[in-house]
Amino acid sequence: DTEVTQTPKHLVMGMTNKKSLKCEQHMGHRAMYWYKQKAKKPPELMFVYSYEKLSINESVPSRFSPECPNSSLLNLHLHALQPEDSALYLCASSPRRTGEVYEQYFGPGTRLTVT
Amino acid sequence: GDSVTQMEGPVTLSEEAFLTINCTYTATGYPSLFWYVQYPGEGLQLLLKATKADDKGSNKGFEATYRKETTSFHLEKGSVQVSDSAVYFCALSLGGNTPLVFGKGTRLSVIA
Repeated sequence: DTEVTQTPKHLVMGMTNKKSLKCEQHMGHRAMYWYKQKAKKPPELMFVYSYEKLSINESVPSRFSPECPNSSLLNLHLHALQPEDSALYLCASSPRRTGEVYEQYFGPGTRLTVT
Repeated sequence: GDSVTQMEGPVTLSEEAFLTINCTYTATGYPSLFWYVQYPGEGLQLLLKATKADDKGSNKGFEATYRKETTSFHLEKGSVQVSDSAVYFCALSLGGNTPLVFGKGTRLSVIA
């Protein structure tokens, strides 16, 4: 099973709302990622968690707050977003072994619209 | 820095035509190379990969060979179908905590 699930599939929120995106995988992967993808662009990396610890934060604004409560779950908490934050948010996971490269498996994404 | 360059799209082909999407890379180390496909309204799916020079990745009739001498990883398919219409991303990874580096993507449209 190489499935990464994401909920919700679509989300519309106002600029004063607080919402969360959820990602789950049961492949035993120890690295999980959040990406942001704008229309007709490649995904842009936001955060990387390795063994449930934040290892990369690509200078993402603090209105995006990631959380990794356990090895299977990854959340992205959203607060006071701007309309330009509207995008497809993708979660991915991969095995993590030092010195080796493994492919990332992506979820279907959450389509976020900020009004 | 590390980068991936893909041919600009969109590419429009008739069904059963031969497909080539060019991909070249620049990397400071010895990367692994990937092709991902994104169908409309969906996330990215791994299509194929290659981890060392002269490796050939293949899946669903698609192939790509890791050419170190030309720093290329071109995607090919002998006979495309309408269902292959999607955006194709070439990507590299140097492993460890380094993130995937994506090309800009190539949109393929196959018409019946």
